[in-house]
Amino acid sequence: QSALTQPASVSGSPGQSITISCTGTSSDVGGYNYVSWYQQHPGKAPKLMIYEVSNRPSGVPDRFSGSKSGNTASLTISGLQAEDEADYYCSSYTSSTVVFGGGTKLTVL
Amino acid sequence: QVQLQESGPGLVKPSQTLSLTCTVSGGSISSGGYYWSWIRQHPGKGLEWIGYIYYSGSTYYNPSLKSRVTISVDTSKNQFSLKLSSVTAADTAVYYCARARLARQAAGIVGMDVWGQGTTVTVSS
Repeated sequence: QSALTQPASVSGSPGQSITISCTGTSSDVGGYNYVSWYQQHPGKAPKLMIYEVSNRPSGVPDRFSGSKSGNTASLTISGLQAEDEADYYCSSYTSSTVVFGGGTKLTVL
Repeated sequence: QVQLQESGPGLVKPSQTLSLTCTVSGGSISSGGYYWSWIRQHPGKGLEWIGYIYYSGSTYYNPSLKSRVTISVDTSKNQFSLKLSSVTAADTAVYYCARARLARQAAGIVGMDVWGQGTTVTVSS
């Protein structure tokens, strides 16, 4: 069970859009539509932002969107805001277990 | 609204067993539809899934930790627990409990929609 691959960091200016990729294999990301994304601010617990690839929980702004193509899932944040600066983790279900990505630090310039 | 709260010792000696409990409030652990999970985060690092349990007692563990992990559930107390044996300094981390929602027909895990605040466990003599 290897961790999913995410870029270590991404950055963008307020109002811009950014995309964070999450690459796995056909055994996890590519094999199931059970990819989720989490936002974590320093010292806080993670918060679910996207589930089942592209669904947003109630209360999550529609600036956050998710997609998947093959073994790679993506999180896009449009209209970047200062409060979006955080760490983001992807996760995938795989054969009765769960695997997380290594995390991406988003900096809002 | 369901809330989760971790509790347990913040300091554990090497070679001993780490024991944590997660208390569920605002909902019943026996209601079904969820796996009750443990996740940890090493200092400055990413999230690592440890395992989860269904209210019936079915468990699944991270293969890399499976030999040392036991997750149990006490439906009468609305709690679930983590035991990690033979700990070393490498087990020093923030430990979170979380609720993982099952997909229809239990085909997979949709996402972890409720998290505890996390508890820091340090392994040191």
